Amino acid sequence: QVQLVQSGAEVKKPGASVKVSCKASGYTFTSYVISWVRQAPGQGLEWMGWISAYNGNTNYAQKFLGRVTMTTDTSTSTAYMEVRSLRSDDTAVYYCARDERRLLNLWGQGTLVIVSS
Amino acid sequence: EIVLTQSPGTLSLSPGERATLSCRASQSISSGSYLAWYQQKPGQAPRLLIYGASSRATGIPDRFSGSGSGTDFTLTISRLEPEDFAVYYCQHYGSLLTFGGGTKVEIK
Repeated sequence: QVQLVQSGAEVKKPGASVKVSCKASGYTFTSYVISWVRQAPGQGLEWMGWISAYNGNTNYAQKFLGRVTMTTDTSTSTAYMEVRSLRSDDTAVYYCARDERRLLNLWGQGTLVIVSS
Repeated sequence: EIVLTQSPGTLSLSPGERATLSCRASQSISSGSYLAWYQQKPGQAPRLLIYGASSRATGIPDRFSGSGSGTDFTLTISRLEPEDFAVYYCQHYGSLLTFGGGTKVEIK
């Protein structure tokens, strides 16, 4: 079954870091790019960046440069997205998605990250 | 960076009616090919509906159609089914990726 399965919900304090995982199955992981998209409560979709599962190349949205790191582990077909220096406005559902030339045709179920003191 | 503006913000319609959703780009999208539409239902991840402005993704019913070029794009749902009430996002894709703010299609 072709799917992306993400890690569970997290609650973090302001200033902390969070690392969300996204495990791929049912397709050749290294043949695709993974994009990360977040959605604040009641808001729209915000693209954060992408990582090539083939060679690890990344491209981050300007807003997240320096605060977000995307990585992959090809041995486990898993992508990771870490956000540092969390703020309350980072509270959101974070999605990974299989990215085919920036078309997002397979999505994970989402991971809720709550940032609260 | 291309900014996408969707209208209306909310569309109130009855099942069986036709829905017309608009997406306007701040600058011309080259060849119009790099415009997609997604559907998102509450508590679910988005789902790709349309790519290349007018091509339906795999498994998408033919009541969904996309059109447009340059800066003006439209998603049309010919006859609304109960499962079509959701939020719809347009997306520009190229080396980067941007989303519009979304249109909610709600039951009247």
